[in-house]
Amino acid sequence: GEEVAQTPKHLVRGEGQKAKLYCAPIKGHSYVFWYQQVLKNEFKFLISFQNENVFDETGMPKERFSAKCLPNSPCSLEIQATKLEDSAVYFCASSQHLSRAFFGQGTRLTVV
Amino acid sequence: AQSVTQLDSHVSVSEGTPVLLRCNYSSSYSPSLFWYVQHPNKGLQLLLKYTSAATLVKGINGFEAEFKKSETSFHLTKPSAHMSDAAEYFCVVSDQGGNAGNMLTFGGGTRLMVKP
Repeated sequence: GEEVAQTPKHLVRGEGQKAKLYCAPIKGHSYVFWYQQVLKNEFKFLISFQNENVFDETGMPKERFSAKCLPNSPCSLEIQATKLEDSAVYFCASSQHLSRAFFGQGTRLTVV
Repeated sequence: AQSVTQLDSHVSVSEGTPVLLRCNYSSSYSPSLFWYVQHPNKGLQLLLKYTSAATLVKGINGFEAEFKKSETSFHLTKPSAHMSDAAEYFCVVSDQGGNAGNMLTFGGGTRLMVKP
């Protein structure tokens, strides 16, 4: 497709529950990025993939966050045992060349 | 290393008056620079980008930005604000390390308010 599709748009989880977010990158794009947007508009880089391989995971909290990009499947970002501070909007972006990154609409995760 | 500073967290203008959103950056290499806009409850939309071609870049919706290497700035301007321009604007930098997998660095955002 010609847009980055993120699902669901909204996700509410009780503290301690698992949350799983999905991202379908634009067809033909090799790179996928996940960002977390918290209060005050801060964007935090989480992880990037080159095809199904992790490219850069320096921003990922190791303990509870994991991500995958498997062939012929949407990419996913999973948070085990969610905490209140995980509440944020999670953006996925894909690109083929660095000069053009396409962003999805985001998934708003609310942990209550 | 790279960083982006958006100098104003909030800018308020009247409809029909000029818009100036300021952005300064630091970068180890020749940077690519972008402005994105985020309307409430919407995803990010690219307004314009600079990738070492013309220093004055024209984008969508009448916005433009000028890359000034000597000032390490990439300010966003528009001659005449519309009510529909009210949104959050992000300046973004990426080093052109030649690798498309490098991450982007976002500024803190500037909320533009447009008064009737």
